[in-house]
Amino acid sequence: AQSVAQPEDQVNVAEGNPLTVKCTYSVSGNPYLFWYVQYPNRGLQFLLKYITGDNLVKGSYGFEAEFNKSQTSFHLKKPSALVSDSALYFCAVRDSARQLTFGSGTQLTVLP
Amino acid sequence: DSGVTQTPKHLITATGQRVTLRCSPRSGDLSVYWYQQSLDQGLQFLIQYYNGEERAKGNILERFSAQQFPDLHSELNLSSLELGDSALYFCASSVVQENTEAFFGQGTRLTVV
Repeated sequence: AQSVAQPEDQVNVAEGNPLTVKCTYSVSGNPYLFWYVQYPNRGLQFLLKYITGDNLVKGSYGFEAEFNKSQTSFHLKKPSALVSDSALYFCAVRDSARQLTFGSGTQLTVLP
Repeated sequence: DSGVTQTPKHLITATGQRVTLRCSPRSGDLSVYWYQQSLDQGLQFLIQYYNGEERAKGNILERFSAQQFPDLHSELNLSSLELGDSALYFCASSVVQENTEAFFGQGTRLTVV
């Protein structure tokens, strides 16, 4: 069965500093990996995805993610955090058209 | 706007009652997913439909059921409601390929009192 782990419930970072939100996955076959963001009282918004090819994927709002097959990781990154990036971030994996499985989420707080 | 519409946005009902949540997917999307988000259990996959047929089932209680209609909208039926069913219920839709992202609605906040 496929699974996703987000080892940090909470990540705090100062505005202007780089941020990383961690994600590891377990899946049979080729992994299709996704990052979503959720603002309070809103639905999940798609940020970026890894399907194949370049291990560094660029997405919306300046976010990028690095796929590492040997470490089965897909960490979300941003070079310079903004206060407005504060939100709940979810990593997800899909395998062979099965359901999209989400991690437990990481609350990112960017401190001014 | 994701293009996925969920109604109602808020629902307050009593224990033991039955409610129906509705979802209209994005135009052209054949797959619909239902998720439950509660404070203590995160985002839990409930069920997936593809073009009217059940495709995958997750942690969905027997008191819950869903269906997808010929026009591709979907309904999630929750019955014999308990206090613990209070949560945000999200619908998402996608095209059929596994390498495509799903788009989420704004959710229905269900409060059982």
